[in-house]
Amino acid sequence: EVQLVESGGGLIQPGGSLRLSCAASGFTVSSNYMSWVRQAPGKGLEWVSVIYSGGSTYYADSVKGRFTISRDNSKNTLYLQMNSLRAEDTAVYYCARGPGLVLYAGDWGQGTLVTVSS
Amino acid sequence: EIVMTQSPATLSVSPGERATLSCRASQSVSSNLAWYQQKPGQAPRLLIYGASTRATGIPARFSGSGSGTEFTLTISSLQSEDFAVYYCQQYNNWPITFGQGTRLEIK
Repeated sequence: EVQLVESGGGLIQPGGSLRLSCAASGFTVSSNYMSWVRQAPGKGLEWVSVIYSGGSTYYADSVKGRFTISRDNSKNTLYLQMNSLRAEDTAVYYCARGPGLVLYAGDWGQGTLVTVSS
Repeated sequence: EIVMTQSPATLSVSPGERATLSCRASQSVSSNLAWYQQKPGQAPRLLIYGASTRATGIPARFSGSGSGTEFTLTISSLQSEDFAVYYCQQYNNWPITFGQGTRLEIK
């Protein structure tokens, strides 16, 4: 059974850093396109970042230069390092995958809430 | 960036009736279009990919059509569990973008 379990969210001050984790089971992270998608409270969905199976990464303009997506193949885990956080980064962050080498998302985690506030 | 525009913003339909949701892309996305359903407090659920292919386990009352810039999601006979927010998403070009959503509510 495919499972994605996010962790690492919480309350953080503006300018701070946070690292989100997404532990995957039932499939191999490195064989899939893996993504982070976020949803601000009461708002729509925003695709934040993707890491391809070959290691290429892409970011939304809103987070480029501040967020870094990565994976640990030995732990079968996806990460999102978030630096220089802003109030507008407040959202539920979902980990998602195709399955396979696709950029739509058939499998989602339950989400982790990041709140950026002083 | 490709802008995805969904209409209407809110759609009121009675159970058992048909619902038709629209999604327009600001430039062609070929058939690289997906539809999702989201209920309060839940992650989105993939309904359709490739504009018209139902995802695993999705009932046949959900169907997608279109290509290029105009797309439609049709729910043929609404069930109580279908009332939710629906999003379209293009994955033809980076950045991947979503529509703003259509809220399907009970009439």
